[in-house]
Amino acid sequence: NAGVTQTPKFQVLKTGQSMTLQCAQDMNHEYMSWYRQDPGMGLRLIHYSVGAGITDQGEVPNGYNVSRSTTEDFPLRLLSAAPSQTSVYFCASRGGGRIGETQYFGPGTRLLVL
Amino acid sequence: RKEVEQDPGPFNVPEGATVAFNCTYSNSASQSFFWYRQDCRKEPKLLMSVYSSGNEDGRFTAQLNRASQYISLLIRDSKLSDSATYLCVVTLMDSSYKLIFGSGTRLLVRP
Repeated sequence: NAGVTQTPKFQVLKTGQSMTLQCAQDMNHEYMSWYRQDPGMGLRLIHYSVGAGITDQGEVPNGYNVSRSTTEDFPLRLLSAAPSQTSVYFCASRGGGRIGETQYFGPGTRLLVL
Repeated sequence: RKEVEQDPGPFNVPEGATVAFNCTYSNSASQSFFWYRQDCRKEPKLLMSVYSSGNEDGRFTAQLNRASQYISLLIRDSKLSDSATYLCVVTLMDSSYKLIFGSGTRLLVRP
């Protein structure tokens, strides 16, 4: 199993550009989520999905869109990039069922918005 | 007030030392508790879950105090490879898949 994969690893955007961060998992996990990590601030939840076709907002959803057309994929779209979206983005997944089941994180995408 | 608070450190200790981190959480509806480890420029990885009765995994011991709403992690016989940032994580009763992270405590173990 590849686990959780993310592409690209690095990206530089200009203000106003749009792009999609890709996330895929091959563990047949129901739950997938996107977090961003900024210095001194722990990871914060952007959007999450509890299954194909179902998504919801997390703590910091503004400026981002998601969709979940398949169990495997959960792309994150930046509609019009802003410097405040410079961050490290992590995708995560977990199976359903037991409370407290661990989440698995992808390697991250480092985004710089100029 | 942050939902999960940690001392950012860094904690700078010699090899072989015992070091303890604490974490406090504000929501009494918190249900599950974890310690994650994050190496520089890498993704977080689960170190251990934290159970009400306390639990141990080798050199690592985690404790939970629900009454005082804090979680602790004790590392005995520190190794150079323990140098990392340790993230305290909780989930709430009605959304067990949404992790709430502390900002992390940085540990540096020196030779």
